[in-house]
Amino acid sequence: QQPVQSPQAVILREGEDAVINCSSSKALYSVHWYRQKHGEAPVFLMILLKGGEQKGHDKISASFNEKKQQSSLYLTASQLSYSGTYFCGTENQAGTALIFGKGTTLSVSS
Amino acid sequence: DTAVSQTPKYLVTQMGNDKSIKCEQNLGHDTMYWYKQDSKKFLKIMFSYNNKELIINETVPNRFSPKSPDKAHLNLHINSLELGDSAVYFCASSNNYGYTFGSGTRLTVV
Repeated sequence: QQPVQSPQAVILREGEDAVINCSSSKALYSVHWYRQKHGEAPVFLMILLKGGEQKGHDKISASFNEKKQQSSLYLTASQLSYSGTYFCGTENQAGTALIFGKGTTLSVSS
Repeated sequence: DTAVSQTPKYLVTQMGNDKSIKCEQNLGHDTMYWYKQDSKKFLKIMFSYNNKELIINETVPNRFSPKSPDKAHLNLHINSLELGDSAVYFCASSNNYGYTFGSGTRLTVV
């Protein structure tokens, strides 16, 4: 079951904040977040392994609400380098591979 | 450099041809994958291998076949290429801490 991401796209100016949400209709045991810049490979940002967990580095952080079956990615004081498409990934039913959401495109301008 | 490397980066070929994409990882990961990313950026799991054993085989045409000579390599063979096979194919490997993607192979079938 593919996770659902929202919004589909976000346009920001440098210094503004954004939140990207990822939800699932089935129980979640972990959530991955990746960023893909145009023409490049997806790059791992972070993984959240248990409900209530929050993680972050620099000004990008994420939370995982296991009961609500959702995760949110927070981008604070956005920089030009944050532009790209953000994907959340959750395990497939067998727990053997990640199924990705359709992505959220973030555009940061100066 | 520790990484996932795949070749070629670009592949242009005619309908009906057979082609292969190679992938190698030196991260010591146990599981490797092939993902297909279409023009809408949707990342779809195709195959995964764990210690040379096929774990999942999503509903992809049997013209696609993964081959893994050892834990560090997972190649993708495609027979009788069709126009709809045009996409970017990503190889990836994983451990408990996340996925690492190769730089992708852009396949164009003409």
